[in-house]
Amino acid sequence: ETGVTQSPTHLIKTRGQQVTLRCSSQSGHNTVSWYQQALGQGPQFIFQYYREEENGRGNFPPRFSGLQFPNYSSELNVNALELDDSALYLCASSLGSGGPTYEQYFGPGTRLTVT
Amino acid sequence: RKEVEQDPGPFNVPEGATVAFNCTYSNSASQSFFWYRQDCRKEPKLLMSVYSSGNEDGRFTAQLNRASQYISLLIRDSKLSDSATYLCVVTNNNDMRFGAGTRLTVKP
Repeated sequence: ETGVTQSPTHLIKTRGQQVTLRCSSQSGHNTVSWYQQALGQGPQFIFQYYREEENGRGNFPPRFSGLQFPNYSSELNVNALELDDSALYLCASSLGSGGPTYEQYFGPGTRLTVT
Repeated sequence: RKEVEQDPGPFNVPEGATVAFNCTYSNSASQSFFWYRQDCRKEPKLLMSVYSSGNEDGRFTAQLNRASQYISLLIRDSKLSDSATYLCVVTNNNDMRFGAGTRLTVKP
């Protein structure tokens, strides 16, 4: 196992609600990245947090926001949920950001269903 | 054009077969390259990094051709446990781009 944990495992929300997903990074890792994976697709990069600051963002609207805490755990918040937000949300931790030895280790994911 | 494109698959092969996956990427500034495998309804797991000189890990061999912006993964002597979706991953600084994946099923 990677040592990356996520909670909750599954979540059902209704359209328009807000959701917070949580991730604990692997011990010693200071970087957390969040991904959205729709069924049958590869993960899509949402954003990354490095030492508590946002350090890059993919093509997701501002209603997707995040935080990283001093212990390097992280939250992903999604406001005004839409049906298309239904997906597996993955967090990945790494030591540092970018570079040739940049390897990320994924948590088990949170499966979000929006009805 | 997608930033990372993979063979659409699926690949259905018998045990013991050799199978190759290909992946192309569009960003010539990409710095790091990886193959991940993902089992059904599980998280992606790092299979191997891909280096310019090519690298091998047991039955798995990865190649990178920067000039052609092409990555490959070769699996020799396929096992039933190799059945999974294989994801090609390309990074530029902190931006990690995944292909849509190629599904492999190894049959007895």
